[in-house]
Parts: sequence; structure tokens; C-alpha cells
Amino acid sequence: KQEVTQIPAALSVPEGENLVLNCSFTDSAIYNLQWFRQDPGKGLTSLLLIQSSQREQTSGRLNASLDKSSGRSTLYIAASQPGDSATYLCAFQGGSEKLVFGKGTKLTVNP
Amino acid sequence: DTAVSQTPKYLVTQMGNDKSIKCEQNLGHDTMYWYKQDSKKFLKIMFSYNNKELIINETVPNRFSPKSPDKAHLNLHINSLELGDSAVYFCASSQVQGTGGETQYFGPGTRLLVL
Repeated sequence: KQEVTQIPAALSVPEGENLVLNCSFTDSAIYNLQWFRQDPGKGLTSLLLIQSSQREQTSGRLNASLDKSSGRSTLYIAASQPGDSATYLCAFQGGSEKLVFGKGTKLTVNP
Repeated sequence: DTAVSQTPKYLVTQMGNDKSIKCEQNLGHDTMYWYKQDSKKFLKIMFSYNNKELIINETVPNRFSPKSPDKAHLNLHINSLELGDSAVYFCASSQVQGTGGETQYFGPGTRLLVL
């Protein structure tokens, strides 16, 4: 059974700091790894998707990496801003179309 | 333009009632999903449909019955609602191409509270 773990569960940083969110998964048969953002009371917004053949993806201040051999992915946020405050979810997709989600990291960026 | 929409946004009802949640996507995707996010914010797949056919059913109680009248719609009907059904239900869609690059797009969620 696939498990996805996200560490830390919560993170509070001052504005401008660079930070890393971690995600680990137990099944090496990965199809892709996706990072989502969820704002309070809202749905999920897709941030980055890394296919199994890729090592990283970048979008603006966000960079996600994938290491299949160690079963890990990281989401790097550069120069954090208060608007980055949200819960960040990592999701593993294996052989089927379903996504297996971690429990998320709640990020607070303080002005 | 809303890509994936759900109605209603909020649903408060009594135990034992039957209710439906509707989902529509205008992205032209072939695959749609229902996810449940519990009180601890843990998000878990319930069902997946591809071109109106059920492809994933994650041992959800049979009180939950998804219905897909066409590939742009996936509705969720819940019979005999129980307190434990209180959660946020998210609909999503994607275009499965077999390349590994298919992002899932999520609706805004339906917040169900069973009293």
C-alpha cells in the first residue's frame, strides 16, 4: 500500500526566507509526482508535476525535485512571501490514475 | 471561466437523508474523480470514471453511488447519510494520455455537514 509522508506538518518562516518542503513515498513504481497548494476553504491548485523520467521542474520561485531511488521529492520556495501561506500537498501517482496524497505541510510566511 | 465546478458549495443535512453533489468540467477531459477530505484534512480518492465508465472504486460504502451521464459530468449520490460522512468532497478531472504528464484539475469542493 502506497504511503506518502510530508515533513514538516507545519512551518512558519519570516518573509524573504528560502524554504524546503519534503515528501517521501514508499512505492518506487512512480508515474508522476505532483505538488498542489490548498488555501483555507478552497480547492487544490496544481503547482508542479514531475514525470517519472524527470528530475525536477521549475515554475517561477518554485522548484520541485524528484529522486525515485530514495523515494523523495522536495518543493523549494525561494524568497517566500506572505501570499505563499497555504497548505502544500504532495501527491504520488503510480500505475492507476488515482493520486495518493500526503497530509500536507501548512506554511505560514510572516510579514 | 470555471474549469471544474461543483454544486452545491455547502450542504447541511440531517442523518438518514439522501443527497447529491454535482460536478461538471469544461476542459474536455476523459477522466473524472471524486475525493474526500476528512476533518484532519487528509485527502483520499473515492471513485474515478473514464468516459462514463467506473475505473476506480476505493472500497467506498455502497451508500455512495457515482453517476456519469456524460464524460463532462460526474455526480455523487449519497444515501442514508451518516455523521461520519461530514467532510469536504472534491471533484477533479484529467486527460489521461499515458505519458505521465497529466495534471488533475480540482473543483472548489462541497462542504457537507451531517447533523
